[in-house]
Amino acid sequence: SAVISQKPSRDICQRGTSLTIQCQVDSQVTMMFWYRQQPGQSLTLIATANQGSEATYESGFVIDKFPISRPNLTFSTLTVSNMSPEDSSIYLCSVGQGGVLDEQYFGPGTRLTVT
Amino acid sequence: AQSVTQLDSHVSVSEGTPVLLRCNYSSSYSPSLFWYVQHPNKGLQLLLKYTSAATLVKGINGFEAEFKKSETSFHLTKPSAHMSDAAEYFCVVRMDSNYQLIWGAGTKLIIKP
Repeated sequence: SAVISQKPSRDICQRGTSLTIQCQVDSQVTMMFWYRQQPGQSLTLIATANQGSEATYESGFVIDKFPISRPNLTFSTLTVSNMSPEDSSIYLCSVGQGGVLDEQYFGPGTRLTVT
Repeated sequence: AQSVTQLDSHVSVSEGTPVLLRCNYSSSYSPSLFWYVQHPNKGLQLLLKYTSAATLVKGINGFEAEFKKSETSFHLTKPSAHMSDAAEYFCVVRMDSNYQLIWGAGTKLIIKP
């Protein structure tokens, strides 16, 4: 399985600022995903990032708020823009492996607190 | 549309006793189903998956799950709980038409000494 790292592991930010989260994979992968896990809740998919194309956002998430980059097959970033306390969550990246993309492997997550 | 329901938000068992975490799904086609575990302050780990092969799926750490199409269930079991099993468990179904995963709300497993 792929080994995925995220930076930072946690951060405390002031409202109105932005934070960029990095996701690095130890192998080339076609699809990378960004999720949000709000306190005490399950995971919600924010967007899917394919290398060389624009990210595809899920309902309720927009590019202006969560811009994503995918410059190559092993790296992606998610920016949380103009943060508010409601953005306090764990942000996780994951990758799909294999031809059918059945399994997803997850990074350790970035715990964001907005004050 | 696909959906997944975890019937218990919390399950508490004594160490050494069996574990049952319940999951029901809704899918128009034959789904792919997964169980993930999330230990406190750790990342998500794949426990096991069902993808239309054997209906009884064995996973890591002694867990297994049985796919029952007639009941649209995919319950997770373990014969004997260990303290290290205390974690949050998520049942997940993959969308038929694409890669998307639909996540259950999670079940917190509590192990009593």
